[in-house]
Amino acid sequence: GAGVSQSPSNKVTEKGKDVELRCDPISGHTALYWYRQSLGQGLEFLIYFQGNSAPDKSGLPSDRFSAERTGGSVSTLTIQRTQQEDSAVYLCASSLVGTGGLSSYEQYFGPGTRLTVT
Amino acid sequence: AQTVTQSQPEMSVQEAETVTLSCTYDTSESNYYLFWYKQPPSRQMILVIRQEAYKQQNATENRFSVNFQKAAKSFSLKISDSQLGDTAMYFCAFRGSQGNLIFGKGTKLSVKP
Repeated sequence: GAGVSQSPSNKVTEKGKDVELRCDPISGHTALYWYRQSLGQGLEFLIYFQGNSAPDKSGLPSDRFSAERTGGSVSTLTIQRTQQEDSAVYLCASSLVGTGGLSSYEQYFGPGTRLTVT
Repeated sequence: AQTVTQSQPEMSVQEAETVTLSCTYDTSESNYYLFWYKQPPSRQMILVIRQEAYKQQNATENRFSVNFQKAAKSFSLKISDSQLGDTAMYFCAFRGSQGNLIFGKGTKLSVKP
C-alpha cells in the first residue's frame, strides 16, 4: 500500500510570499501530524488532527501558520508572509490512533517538503 | 512538560561491531510509548523499534534492541552487527497523552567499513 506522500518535495519562495504544503496520509489513518525539522531547532511538533476533533494547534510558532484537513484525509499547511526563519523541512506523519495497542500509536512519516525562503 | 535528551551528537562504529545510542526522557506520566526512528540522507523517517512503558520486557527487532529502564527514564538503542546501511541520524521519541511525538536532537551514526 502507499505510504504518506507530500508535495512539493522542494519549494523555494521569496520572503513575504504565501506557501501551501500538502500531505496525503495513509488511507484509513485517523490521525495526522505536522512537524518541522530545522538545523537549529531539531524536530518540532506543529499541529495534530485526530478524526473530527478540533486540531491541537499548540505547536504552531505564529499566527502566520495554519493548517486544515479536508474530509478527514488530505491536509494542507499554509505559511503566510514567509520569513527566512521558516526555511526548514516540513514533515507530515499519520497514524491509527484510537484503535488500541502499540501499533495504533506508530507514526508513519512522509518524505518531507524542503522549504527555502530567499 | 516532557523532554527527550540524546547526549551523543555523533558516533561512529566499525562494520559488524555493536554500538549503543543513549536516550533519556523526563515525564510525570505513567503510561507512554517510546520510539527510535532512523533518518538516512534521503530524509525519510523510518521507525526502527518501539516500546510500551508498561511492558518490562525490552523490545527487539532483528539486530536492534532497546534497554528500557523506566525508573531511570532511560531508553537506549543497541545495534548489533552494524552495517553500512545503518549510517543515518537516529532520533529517540516520546509519545504521551498529548498525542504528538517529542523528539531528541538526534545522534548521527556513521558505520565505517
